[in-house]
Amino acid sequence: GAGVSQTPSNKVTEKGKYVELRCDPISGHTALYWYRQSLGQGPEFLIYFQGTGAADDSGLPNDRFFAVRPEGSVSTLKIQRTERGDSAVYLCASSLLGLAGAPGDEQFFGPGTRLTVL
Amino acid sequence: AQSVTQPDIHITVSEGASLELRCNYSYGATPYLFWYVQSPGQGLQLLLKYFSGDTLVQGIKGFEAEFKRSQSSFNLRKPSVHWSDAAEYFCAVGAPGTDKLIFGTGTRLQVFP
Repeated sequence: GAGVSQTPSNKVTEKGKYVELRCDPISGHTALYWYRQSLGQGPEFLIYFQGTGAADDSGLPNDRFFAVRPEGSVSTLKIQRTERGDSAVYLCASSLLGLAGAPGDEQFFGPGTRLTVL
Repeated sequence: AQSVTQPDIHITVSEGASLELRCNYSYGATPYLFWYVQSPGQGLQLLLKYFSGDTLVQGIKGFEAEFKRSQSSFNLRKPSVHWSDAAEYFCAVGAPGTDKLIFGTGTRLQVFP
């Protein structure tokens, strides 16, 4: 694929429900990131994968949030018992090697999934 | 911990005028610095980045930025703004040895004809 893709583009759910957001990174990119962008704010780091493993999950707000990348390619962000405060645009990005391994390595962002919790 | 400040929430300029968007960071050493642009309905696009070397960095779409260590700044500039430059601009900082980016709150640029 040409770029990072995310599905769905929009997700409306009810408070308390479970949601999954999917990210397809650029083929061959080993690093994958999830960010959350609330209205009027910049993106906020959630979690970073290097290959299949979560190398840094320090940005996940609580244990309702979980992400996986089982085969080192597609990633899924999972949110349990959604709350109204989870409403935001969830951005996924990928890079070839990751900043730590390649200074200046560019993160390519997807268009995001807009999550609305009613 | 590193942080990024973009003091200007909203800037309006006339087409053809020069532009400077401010970015200040807080970090104990020299960080990696980035400017991204986000147009409505579009993903974030990298304009330019600094991680070492020449402190004046050239980017895409005619943008440049200068890293000033003494001022902890990485301001974005363009000599002549086009109407298509209207968008949200984000400055971001990364700490060497880590992979996450810390973004500022953004500056919304409006361009009048």
